[in-house]
Amino acid sequence: QVQLVESGGGVVQPGTSLRLSCATSGFPFSSYGVHWVRQAPGEGLQWVAAISDNGINKYYVDSVKGRFTISRDNSRNTLYLHMNSLTTDDSAVYFCARPLGAIFSELTYWGPGTLVTVSP
Amino acid sequence: QSALTQPASVSGSPGQSITISCTGPTSDVRDNHFVSWYQQHPGKAPRLIIFEVSNRASGVSHRFSASKSGDTASLTISGLQADDEAVYYCSSYRRSDPLKVFGGGTKLTVL
Repeated sequence: QVQLVESGGGVVQPGTSLRLSCATSGFPFSSYGVHWVRQAPGEGLQWVAAISDNGINKYYVDSVKGRFTISRDNSRNTLYLHMNSLTTDDSAVYFCARPLGAIFSELTYWGPGTLVTVSP
Repeated sequence: QSALTQPASVSGSPGQSITISCTGPTSDVRDNHFVSWYQQHPGKAPRLIIFEVSNRASGVSHRFSASKSGDTASLTISGLQADDEAVYYCSSYRRSDPLKVFGGGTKLTVL
């Protein structure tokens, strides 16, 4: 079955960098766009970024543009989120998610999330 | 601040029906076919329950239904069950940044 599992979260200081990974299985990874969505502690969901199936088209929420980079390795069935210049506002559980079909169809499959804590 | 506005909380007794509203700008609700609803239990990932305004996702109970009128989308849960207690988010895709937005979430309490 379709599975997504995030990793790479942890506690880091402001201004530092972190790379999140999302390992996938159970579907042809290279055929689907994938997304990152985050959720700050006790808060709602916020869409962060998306990448097309071939990795060419990338989309970001304004608050992470220039600091975060979404990428993928189709040979490893893995999605990444490279996060630079982290601030306390970036503290959240980060979910990777796959739409049912086209990149901007609904997010049907989700990983359990990985927690990023940015703290002085 | 979310572009989509939901009530912070709703409640109902087992067997009753409740409705959660989601109001937003014209481009995000009224003129948008891609309004969806997610359910999230504590400590879990969100689960898609409704897509494209009123379509139930695979495996979702017929007790869940949704519709849209003007600038407001609505999720109705009938025959409330204890396991329905969760936070519900509306969402839509947009043509401008950010490309996807979520409402602030509505906590459903089953009394």
